[in-house]
Amino acid sequence: LAKTTQPISMDSYEGQEVNITCSHNNIATNDYITWYQQFPSQGPRFIIQGYKTKVTNEVASLFIPADRKSSTLSLPRVSLSDTAVYYCLVGDPNSGGYQKVTFGTGTKLQVIP
Amino acid sequence: DTGVSQDPRHKITKRGQNVTFRCDPISEHNRLYWYRQTLGQGPEFLTYFQNEAQLEKSRLLSDRFSAERPKGSFSTLEIQRTEQGDSAMYLCASSLISGRVDYGYTFGSGTRLTVV
Repeated sequence: LAKTTQPISMDSYEGQEVNITCSHNNIATNDYITWYQQFPSQGPRFIIQGYKTKVTNEVASLFIPADRKSSTLSLPRVSLSDTAVYYCLVGDPNSGGYQKVTFGTGTKLQVIP
Repeated sequence: DTGVSQDPRHKITKRGQNVTFRCDPISEHNRLYWYRQTLGQGPEFLTYFQNEAQLEKSRLLSDRFSAERPKGSFSTLEIQRTEQGDSAMYLCASSLISGRVDYGYTFGSGTRLTVV
């Protein structure tokens, strides 16, 4: 499975756009990129998934360059409730599943009033 | 369906005691995973089931740990002779595999184990 590298922590003021970048230099051809959010004392929650270019949903956008060796999660106009840890995962959902995927340490986002 | 349920939410036990946790997955999901998460770290894979079959176990899962999923529904994770190093959040997740496509994890809220 491809290893991912993210910043350990980030701070942002309320109302700003936050971009969290993940490096995955050895991503495989069939791998997808998935981001999860985790609040304290809760399990991770799915945010967004993509394969290439740009994906947008009601929560976030995911930007993936042509070489797919990195990806950027964009959170528009963050609020205090977006304070959480964000994990970038890489894997192939079409090869039998995400079994034993590695989460890494994630990026701890602190939103400041 | 209210998602993945885990019970209990918190457990405090004395070193050397046995503990058992339960996970009820989303009913139509055929895969169930157990993860362990320590403070400041991401979840670490322990084991997973497809239906009732346990398909893989991590080397993190010592012989003091055992997991079952009878009848392919709920799952239990038992830790025998607990040690202080077992203190962690134990997370359960489920997913639906159809053919070879995995539609992604749904996690429970976890069981926080403290061994004193």
